[in-house]
Amino acid sequence: KQEVTQIPAALSVPEGENLVLNCSFTDSAIYNLQWFRQDPGKGLTSLLLIQSSQREQTSGRLNASLDKSSGRSTLYIAASQPGDSATYLCAVDPADKLIFGTGTRLQVFP
Amino acid sequence: SQTIHQWPATLVQPVGSPLSLECTVEGTSNPNLYWYRQAAGRGLQLLFYSVGIGQISSEVPQNLSASRPQDRQFILSSKKLLLSDSGFYLCAWRGQGNQPQHFGDGTRLSIL
Repeated sequence: KQEVTQIPAALSVPEGENLVLNCSFTDSAIYNLQWFRQDPGKGLTSLLLIQSSQREQTSGRLNASLDKSSGRSTLYIAASQPGDSATYLCAVDPADKLIFGTGTRLQVFP
Repeated sequence: SQTIHQWPATLVQPVGSPLSLECTVEGTSNPNLYWYRQAAGRGLQLLFYSVGIGQISSEVPQNLSASRPQDRQFILSSKKLLLSDSGFYLCAWRGQGNQPQHFGDGTRLSIL
């Protein structure tokens, strides 16, 4: 059974710091891995999708990497801003059904 | 561009009452559609998904059902709500091929 774990569960950093969020999964048989952002009481916003054949994807200050053989993905946020404060979720797609981690709650303070 | 709509945004219902949550997608055809639930203190769980009109797959046994009467409409229903049905319900869609899933704004359901 696929299990997805995110570490740390919560993170508080000063504005301007570069930070790394971690995601690990137990079964490497996946089609892709997706990173989302969720603001309090809101739906999910898709940030990046990495297909199983890819090693990384970049969008602006965000960079996500995927090491399928070791069951790991990282989301790198450069030069963090208070507007980045949210819960970040990773999800793996083994067969058109996303399996989510429990998220990392990020707070960036001025 | 594609958009996804969910309504209502919030709902308070008594135990034993029926439920109908609706989700529609615009700007695409033949999407895969999904219903997820996010319970307090727990992660997102897939409830139902559909690859076409009238085609519904259930992921977990529960008090809920789903229907897809039209290509871009997905409905989540219950005949009698339980306290354990409380949560944040999210609809999502995905295009054909290895594409990302996109989520609606969610419905917060409270059962009294």
